[in-house]
Amino acid sequence: RKEVEQDPGPFNVPEGATVAFNCTYSNSASQSFFWYRQDCRKEPKLLMSVYSSGNEDGRFTAQLNRASQYISLLIRDSKLSDSATYLCVVLSSGSARQLTFGSGTQLTVLP
Amino acid sequence: GAVVSQHPSRVICKSGTSVKIECRSLDFQATTMFWYRQFPKQSLMLMATSNEGSKATYEQGVEKDKFLINHASLTLSTLTVTSAHPEDSSFYICSVSRANYGYTFGSGTRLTVV
Repeated sequence: RKEVEQDPGPFNVPEGATVAFNCTYSNSASQSFFWYRQDCRKEPKLLMSVYSSGNEDGRFTAQLNRASQYISLLIRDSKLSDSATYLCVVLSSGSARQLTFGSGTQLTVLP
Repeated sequence: GAVVSQHPSRVICKSGTSVKIECRSLDFQATTMFWYRQFPKQSLMLMATSNEGSKATYEQGVEKDKFLINHASLTLSTLTVTSAHPEDSSFYICSVSRANYGYTFGSGTRLTVV
């Protein structure tokens, strides 16, 4: 089983649509969680951190359920510029703190 | 976050040659840098953790003699792919972690071995 698993996608949605991505992680000791955005042939860029209480940044809402080891990202009112690959990322705890990436979910917002 | 510069952005080399990739932390003294590799349509995989002034820590399955890492200063880490082969063609990305700022990635190096 992969440490971080995501919906494989691709998701093709019309402008203005709401789209949700899911992610599960296997290490219950993981301590921090993030969504990164990666454009084609570019480096990943932090979209938002994910907290247990849920957090929102404009059109983006992230949720974390530690009991289920589940993370989600909701994008409302999709824009063409939201087209990218969204990476679910988990930071392990302990002395070997390192990021583990999901394989990403590709989103294409269509005009 | 930190400002990270990676060079070159793209390189094409012949099979059997070596390629050096540089990662610089421009505004932060980084004792640790991370090197990732990403094959098409796959996730970033950590290759090694570069430690300033000491040996790098390699992930399982990554050949340390093939992927040479040098972190001689607090602002520069290099990854050298030695005797490159077509299967080494990939997207290589470095990263720096800064307290309270999280992780910042270099712009990546697309290596093509022909």
